[in-house]
Amino acid sequence: NAGVTQTPKFRVLKTGQSMTLLCAQDMNHEYMYWYRQDPGMGLRLIHYSVGEGTTAKGEVPDGYNVSRLKKQNFLLGLESAAPSQTSVYFCATRLWGGADTQYFGPGTRLTVL
Amino acid sequence: AQSVTQLGSHVSVSEGALVLLRCNYSSSVPPYLFWYVQYPNQGLQLLLKYTSAATLVKGINGFEAEFKKSETSFHLTKPSAHMSDAAEYFCAVSEAGNQFYFGTGTSLTVIP
Repeated sequence: NAGVTQTPKFRVLKTGQSMTLLCAQDMNHEYMYWYRQDPGMGLRLIHYSVGEGTTAKGEVPDGYNVSRLKKQNFLLGLESAAPSQTSVYFCATRLWGGADTQYFGPGTRLTVL
Repeated sequence: AQSVTQLGSHVSVSEGALVLLRCNYSSSVPPYLFWYVQYPNQGLQLLLKYTSAATLVKGINGFEAEFKKSETSFHLTKPSAHMSDAAEYFCAVSEAGNQFYFGTGTSLTVIP
């Protein structure tokens, strides 16, 4: 059981480049989330999904797109990276809502030059 | 709207001393409350959660938290700090919906 995995672990981009972060889970959870973590700001929700084929915006969605074509995968895309997107990105999954716990991946450290 | 406030972005305690990390929330309905811990260069791990059963919740590594509705608080405590407790701690709240709301975190330093 791998739990929640994120690919890649580290990445350096130049301004304007694009990339996709992959989150994969083997827990059969319905809900998946993408957060970014910046010093002093805690975790901020970028986008989330409550099931295969559905996505919704979170607190800071601008500059990001997501897709959930398969239940086990949640992709986060940056079409034209900016230095302000330098951050650590975490994926999380949850069986359902309410009292269910979120389970986090190990994170992706992204630097945009 | 929900929000979570963690008082004190940095807390230092001596090894063996009481750990107290504060969390206050705002919610229009009885919430579900969580504490997570993050060690350096790792993801977040669940310490404990409150789901409307007992108001005193025990978690892993000797931590516990008490839900106080009248104070809208869910403070995290541990009687005796250990060096391995040094980490970032996050309080979070969830209602019946889809989202979690996290506080900005408290960095705990344990002084030998």
